[in-house]
Amino acid sequence: KNEVEQSPQNLTAQEGEFITINCSYSVGISALHWLQQHPGGGIVSLFMLSSGKKKHGRLIATINIQEKHSSLHITASHPRDSAVYICAVFKGAQKLVFGQGTRLTINP
Amino acid sequence: EAGVTQSPTHLIKTRGQQATLRCSPISGHTSVYWYQQALGLGLQFLLWYDEGEERNRGNFPPRFSGRQFPKYSSELNVNALELEDSALYLCASSLTPQTEAFFGQGTRLTVV
Repeated sequence: KNEVEQSPQNLTAQEGEFITINCSYSVGISALHWLQQHPGGGIVSLFMLSSGKKKHGRLIATINIQEKHSSLHITASHPRDSAVYICAVFKGAQKLVFGQGTRLTINP
Repeated sequence: EAGVTQSPTHLIKTRGQQATLRCSPISGHTSVYWYQQALGLGLQFLLWYDEGEERNRGNFPPRFSGRQFPKYSSELNVNALELEDSALYLCASSLTPQTEAFFGQGTRLTVV
């Protein structure tokens, strides 16, 4: 079993829909990253959080340390949100452990 | 302000050769991280440098090595290249080991 599990692996939705991507982890962590990877490989760091909730534009990330679970939400989704979203956790000594990613496709 | 920059963007090498990949962190960032994303696999942690020292490495053979220079730029060297080393290599930097990391666009290494 992977230390970081994301669900779903693939998600297709229509423009405007509310999107939720989930991340569960099985190890003690100091912080969690949500990353966005575009076709071609470029990665953008969306959030780093260690507790509570963060919001940036249409993106919201939450984390529940006790339940070892984080969610990434996208409101009013748009085709330009189509990308792979990756959850990564800091597992001590700055070693990031990555989930396998969720491929999101938003159709117009 | 410039982000994390990596060079080259693409690199083609033959099996057995050596590859050198470079990373310039965001100005002021002292921590540099290297990751490998092989085709069909997730991102894997390779190396972490901070203040010029290697602080941690992932489960990769000694063929993968690197260094960090006095102004915090970094180099990843892969010796005796194997076909399975073909991957996207990503560099990230952070202001301190406790703060958010920012990623470069990556170097796509192809070994033929």
